[in-house]
Amino acid sequence: AQRVTQPEKLLSVFKGAPVELKCNYSYSGSPELFWYVQYSRQRLQLLLRHISRESIKGFTADLNKGETSFHLKKPFAQEEDSAMYYCALRGAGSYQLTFGKGTKLSVIP
Amino acid sequence: KAGVTQTPRYLIKTRGQQVTLSCSPISGHRSVSWYQQTPGQGLQFLFEYFSETQRNKGNFPGRFSGRQFSNSRSEMNVSTLELGDSALYLCASSLERSPRAFFGQGTRLTVV
Repeated sequence: AQRVTQPEKLLSVFKGAPVELKCNYSYSGSPELFWYVQYSRQRLQLLLRHISRESIKGFTADLNKGETSFHLKKPFAQEEDSAMYYCALRGAGSYQLTFGKGTKLSVIP
Repeated sequence: KAGVTQTPRYLIKTRGQQVTLSCSPISGHRSVSWYQQTPGQGLQFLFEYFSETQRNKGNFPGRFSGRQFSNSRSEMNVSTLELGDSALYLCASSLERSPRAFFGQGTRLTVV
């Protein structure tokens, strides 16, 4: 069975402080990992995925297969980063996304 | 391009009734997935369709069903509604083999 765990329901940081949103997964094989974000009153949208190894809006995420983690990081939080963040996994050959329960990030001005 | 469109946006139904929700994917997207979002369980996968065929189904009872039409539009149906079916139902579309899913704004279903 595949599972995604986001241990923090709510994370509050001050503007300019570093941010780390934790994500751990359980999957026997090589999954694809994603971070989705939902800003207030907006649709759920893809932020980044591990395969592309990109940085979007200053966020990066590294897949650590040994620790089965895919933490999302940003060195300096901005107020506009306040949103719900969901970590998601897709198994090899699968068409479904398994989501974590999400972490609400609140950036304090 | 227009985004994923879900109708209706809000729905109130009575226990025991049935409901049909609609999803129009982004033009050119042939894969459509459905998710149920609740405060307790989060986002849970319902099913995925591609070219009118259901390829994958989540762990939901048979009361939940869906279909996809030749124009890729999809509907999901819930029969014999229960209070626990109250949720936000999200539809997502993607290109074949693309990992990027585009989500609609959802249909908020309330069962009373």
